[in-house]
Amino acid sequence: AQSVTQPDIHITVSEGASLELRCNYSYGATPYLFWYVQSPGQGLQLLLKYFSGDTLVQGIKGFEAEFKRSQSSFNLRKPSVHWSDAAEYFCAVGHNAGNMLTFGGGTRLMVKP
Amino acid sequence: EAGVVQSPRYKIIEKKQPVAFWCNPISGHNTLYWYLQNLGQGPELLIRYENEEAVDDSQLPKDRFSAERLKGVDSTLKIQPAELGDSAVYLCASSLRRTGELFFGEGSRLTVL
Repeated sequence: AQSVTQPDIHITVSEGASLELRCNYSYGATPYLFWYVQSPGQGLQLLLKYFSGDTLVQGIKGFEAEFKRSQSSFNLRKPSVHWSDAAEYFCAVGHNAGNMLTFGGGTRLMVKP
Repeated sequence: EAGVVQSPRYKIIEKKQPVAFWCNPISGHNTLYWYLQNLGQGPELLIRYENEEAVDDSQLPKDRFSAERLKGVDSTLKIQPAELGDSAVYLCASSLRRTGELFFGEGSRLTVL
């Protein structure tokens, strides 16, 4: 069965600093990988996804993620964080053409002014 | 284009009472999902529909939970009777088959007293 681990429950960064959120997955085949963001009281919004091809994927809001098969990782990065990026971030692995998602426990990002 | 619509956004009930949540997916989306999100955790799949057929309901506690998707469009998730541990956010999502991108509603937050 697939699983997703997000090792950092909380992360605090200063506005303008770079960001990296970690995600490790366990899946027997080529994974479909996703990052979602959830603002308080809101649903989840897709930031980016990896299905195949280039291992560095670009997403919305200036985010990118890199798929590293050898490390079973799909870390999310942003070069300069804005205060509006404060939210909960979820990594997910999918199968059945990505339609069946298993989510990690999430990382709560706080941004200091 | 309207997104996934859920209602009610908030519901407070006493234990042993019934409760129902409604979801209208994005027009044309064949696949509909109900996820459970406990506080501080990632979403967990309860049930997935392909059109009107429930194709994955292995995580749905069938003694008290039921769901339906009549006519393959909107869906209702019911809990009867509710227990204290059911307090959570119930998220609905929809997708076009084979795209692997889930679109989430804002969720229905249930508090059981």
